[in-house]
Amino acid sequence: KAGVTQTPRYLIKTRGQQVTLSCSPISGHRSVSWYQQTPGQGLQFLFEYFSETQRNKGNFPGRFSGRQFSNSRSEMNVSTLELGDSALYLCASSLAYPDKTNEKLFFGSGTQLSVL
Amino acid sequence: DAKTTQPPSMDCAEGRAANLPCNHSTISGNEYVYWYRQIHSQGPQYIIHGLKNNETNEMASLIITEDRKSSTLILPHATLRDTAVYYCIVRVLNTGTASKLTFGTGTRLQVTL
Repeated sequence: KAGVTQTPRYLIKTRGQQVTLSCSPISGHRSVSWYQQTPGQGLQFLFEYFSETQRNKGNFPGRFSGRQFSNSRSEMNVSTLELGDSALYLCASSLAYPDKTNEKLFFGSGTQLSVL
Repeated sequence: DAKTTQPPSMDCAEGRAANLPCNHSTISGNEYVYWYRQIHSQGPQYIIHGLKNNETNEMASLIITEDRKSSTLILPHATLRDTAVYYCIVRVLNTGTASKLTFGTGTRLQVTL
């Protein structure tokens, strides 16, 4: 079974631009969550989508948004990029059945975003 | 979710057991202990989790103290490929927050020849 796939692997943008990152979860997984990893702040939760609905949101500004499609694939968008948005963006998927409360997350390899 | 404390780094000789400690003295009765690791340039990888009993799987063993204030992840025979940052995470589980993990700074394990 294929793992979590994130595209692109690397991305270079300039300040003020916007960017869209893509994540394809493991087949059958219905929950997709996004994390930002920086050397200074470590791994931080951005948001989670389940059945095309945002279920949880971290403490990030409104410039960070996402969505999930009916096939569970997800995209996240960052508008008006700032230098501080340079980070590794990680996507994770899980089964997240309603009656299972100990789901483990499966992470992709991430998209390394550099903002110049 | 309860806060965790881990040593910033540890070394282990290849073939020996790696014992990674985690302190979670404020853990609540309904919080689980999870371990993930992150190998350089990859996403975190789930290792093991437990509530109050010791757990073992093909990757590692998790020993939780009786008062649940601390735990130890044991890699029985460390290899060079186990070099990674290991994260101990304590969290309440419910279907509404299952994917929201709070990562600390972790322990950087260096396995050497």
